[in-house]
Amino acid sequence: DAKTTQPTSMDCAEGRAANLPCNHSTISGNEYVYWYRQIHSQGPQYIIHGLKNNETNEMASLIITEDRKSSTLILPHATLRDTAVYYCIVELGGNNRLAFGKGNQVVVIP
Amino acid sequence: GAVVSQHPSRVICKSGTSVKIECRSLDFQATTMFWYRQFPKQSLMLMATSNEGSKATYEQGVEKDKFLINHASLTLSTLTVTSAHPEDSSFYICSARERGREQYFGPGTRLTVT
Repeated sequence: DAKTTQPTSMDCAEGRAANLPCNHSTISGNEYVYWYRQIHSQGPQYIIHGLKNNETNEMASLIITEDRKSSTLILPHATLRDTAVYYCIVELGGNNRLAFGKGNQVVVIP
Repeated sequence: GAVVSQHPSRVICKSGTSVKIECRSLDFQATTMFWYRQFPKQSLMLMATSNEGSKATYEQGVEKDKFLINHASLTLSTLTVTSAHPEDSSFYICSARERGREQYFGPGTRLTVT
């Protein structure tokens, strides 16, 4: 099963773009990369996912390297409400099973 | 985004009793539902996967006779913690997905066993 590596924590400035890195060097060709975030004592919130191409939605952009061994989640204009634990996840085989790692505690600073 | 609800949000029960937690997809048909558990300051741990009308598939180390999962319809799955003990106290979170789509998570249920 592909594993992911993220920073344990990082601070971001309010109003600036936040770039959250993730390594997934053992990812297989048909495995998607998913990003979720969790605010304390709530269920995780879906952000974005991708396979090979870069993706963008109303929340964020996902940049996947050509070799697919790493990706970066970009929050274009971080706000205080973006403070959360961000999880980069590669699905476990089929059926969209997700194995959450420890995540990246992102704190947006005024 | 799609909405998933859980009921109850909090429950306290006595040791030895059973507790049922409901997970509902409110605006889509959930062909697959998942149950997770999260202990304080830890990440989510996948417990089981259930497809509508089929028996649940449990992750290694999760006791299927203790955590009974039923996914009887395309909008409802239930998790029953049988003979609960204090070590079962945790935050239980469900998620649901429509075929070919991403997972959406419920708000979680805080279980405390006294």
